[in-house]
Amino acid sequence: DTEVTQTPKHLVMGMTNKKSLKCEQHMGHRAMYWYKQKAKKPPELMFVYSYEKLSINESVPSRFSPECPNSSLLNLHLHALQPEDSALYLCASSHVTGFSSYEQYFGPGTRLTVT
Amino acid sequence: QQQVKQSPQSLIVQKGGISIINCAYENTAFDYFPWYQQFPGKGPALLIAIRPDVSEKKEGRFTISFNKSAKQFSLHIMDSQPGDSATYFCAAGWPDSSYKLIFGSGTRLLVRP
Repeated sequence: DTEVTQTPKHLVMGMTNKKSLKCEQHMGHRAMYWYKQKAKKPPELMFVYSYEKLSINESVPSRFSPECPNSSLLNLHLHALQPEDSALYLCASSHVTGFSSYEQYFGPGTRLTVT
Repeated sequence: QQQVKQSPQSLIVQKGGISIINCAYENTAFDYFPWYQQFPGKGPALLIAIRPDVSEKKEGRFTISFNKSAKQFSLHIMDSQPGDSATYFCAAGWPDSSYKLIFGSGTRLLVRP
């Protein structure tokens, strides 16, 4: 199984709402990532978890709060977002050692619209 | 320089033609160069990747050519098909990068029937 799943596919939320994005993989990967992608741009790294511990936070605003409950699951909690946060949010996973650590498998993304 | 420069920004090719997308980098510490294919509304998918000790890698109709001295690599899509129409991103990784990949800016490929 080489699939990363993400829910929901689409999310519309107001600036005062609290919502969560979910990601799941069953490839035995111990690194998981959140990316943000704006239209016609490459993915932009937000967070990396390695062995369920936060390894990288790319200076992301605190209104985005990641969580890795176990080795298969990754959540992104959203609160008090701004309209400019509207984007495609991608989850990815990979192994943590060797060249296979570079091979990131992406999910289909959650299309987030902040109104 | 942690940048990968990708060109062209967009490309139109007739069915059956060869699509060529180029990337250039400065950091000689990069040691892994993947290409990702992304269809509208979908996440990027790893297409093919190369390491700098190899000058060419082929998988089906997709070939990566790598020129270490010029610090350039390119993706060739032979016999391009309308189903290849997508956005292609080159990327680069390096040791101790803490899992980071540096992505190129992307190329939107349209293959006309």
